Amino acid sequence: SAVISQKPSRDICQRGTSLTIQCQVDSQVTMMFWYRQQPGQSLTLIATANQGSEATYESGFVIDKFPISRPNLTFSTLTVSNMSPEDSSIYLCSVDLGRAREKLFFGSGTQLSVL
Amino acid sequence: DAKTTQPTSMDCAEGRAANLPCNHSTISGNEYVYWYRQIHSQGPQYIIHGLKNNETNEMASLIITEDRKSSTLILPHATLRDTAVYYCIVSGGNKLVFGAGTILRVKS
Repeated sequence: SAVISQKPSRDICQRGTSLTIQCQVDSQVTMMFWYRQQPGQSLTLIATANQGSEATYESGFVIDKFPISRPNLTFSTLTVSNMSPEDSSIYLCSVDLGRAREKLFFGSGTQLSVL
Repeated sequence: DAKTTQPTSMDCAEGRAANLPCNHSTISGNEYVYWYRQIHSQGPQYIIHGLKNNETNEMASLIITEDRKSSTLILPHATLRDTAVYYCIVSGGNKLVFGAGTILRVKS
């Protein structure tokens, strides 16, 4: 397995502001992914964070709203911009350890509430 | 990636086997079947995965039908701590797309 540190673990924010979520992994990984889990819902993939290039976004998600950085093989950030109450969700970072046994390993997430 | 269909919820008695079905009739030859679970307020946890053959590990067994159009996750002796949402995912690439999953409630 891996150790994924996600910060902050939770936050309460005002609408119109932005929050940057950090994801730190204790080993170098090629693939990092960001998911969103709205209240009572399943996980939705936001984007793939690519090291050294722009993130690849899924349908319905855009860079202006969810800018992502991936400066190296152990770290990534997701920013939720110009927040509204609809952005209240759990945001999860996950990594592909490149092992046959476990496809993706997940952090414990960031609980975001927007007032 | 192929879509999956799972029952919305299931109940299981503590100590009994929990059998969670998943239909993936459009699965293609290079796609694996993955199972994850999510206990409340935690990130998803990997359980098991397989391609064609049945698989077993310390957590569960995965039974895949010969035509690969469906599979069953078996928790041999369910405990209260196995209460969670269980996701069956089919993927041939790097991404995992989660469906709605099955809420498994283990009852004493």
